Amino acid sequence: DGGITQSPKYLFRKEGQNVTLSCEQNLNHDAMYWYRQDPGQGLRLIYYSQIVNDFQKGDIAEGYSVSREKKESFPLTVTSAQKNPTAFYLCASEDTDTQYFGPGTRLTVL
Amino acid sequence: ILNVEQSPQSLHVQEGDSTNFTCSFPSSNFYALHWYRWETAKSPEALFVMTLNGDEKKKGRISATLNTKEGYSYLYIKGSQPEDSATYLCAFGGTSYGKLTFGQGTILTVHP
Repeated sequence: DGGITQSPKYLFRKEGQNVTLSCEQNLNHDAMYWYRQDPGQGLRLIYYSQIVNDFQKGDIAEGYSVSREKKESFPLTVTSAQKNPTAFYLCASEDTDTQYFGPGTRLTVL
Repeated sequence: ILNVEQSPQSLHVQEGDSTNFTCSFPSSNFYALHWYRWETAKSPEALFVMTLNGDEKKKGRISATLNTKEGYSYLYIKGSQPEDSATYLCAFGGTSYGKLTFGQGTILTVHP
């Protein structure tokens, strides 16, 4: 089955701890994206990567970091510098102008 | 940050009703306009990618139109069914490669 997986579905962390969200795709897509969703707002772009070993900041990159060491994987680290980390996080990959999304991870920072 | 607005925010209709909602976006530096359907507990799913002014796309009972000069797109659903209940997202793609700006979505609930 081809697709995008994100794990875990729900994640709880204490304030001040870094946490890494997983995103894996087996669609052989070059481009991958991380979005954040908050209630009443559209998806906001955190980071994106158009090719392995390269990534760019999106609109709300502060407090986040990413890596793209493999084509299949684009993990997102939410650092303690992110002031409001509690949110729903969506990962996507892209093929010819269409983005394909994973099921998302809901992060709650206590 | 670009402004992409969707209206209404939410909509309740009866099964069999036809409905439509709007996505407004910047009329300059247009590249593409995307529509996604996001059902509860599922991943957003691409409905349409529209690139040409005047374009009209159709998928079953769902269709969309595009006006790039005035910066709006309409999504129409004919004869709504309960399974159409979802959040409908539009996303504006400017001439900067690969970056989409999403609207906040329209939540559609179709009552049996």
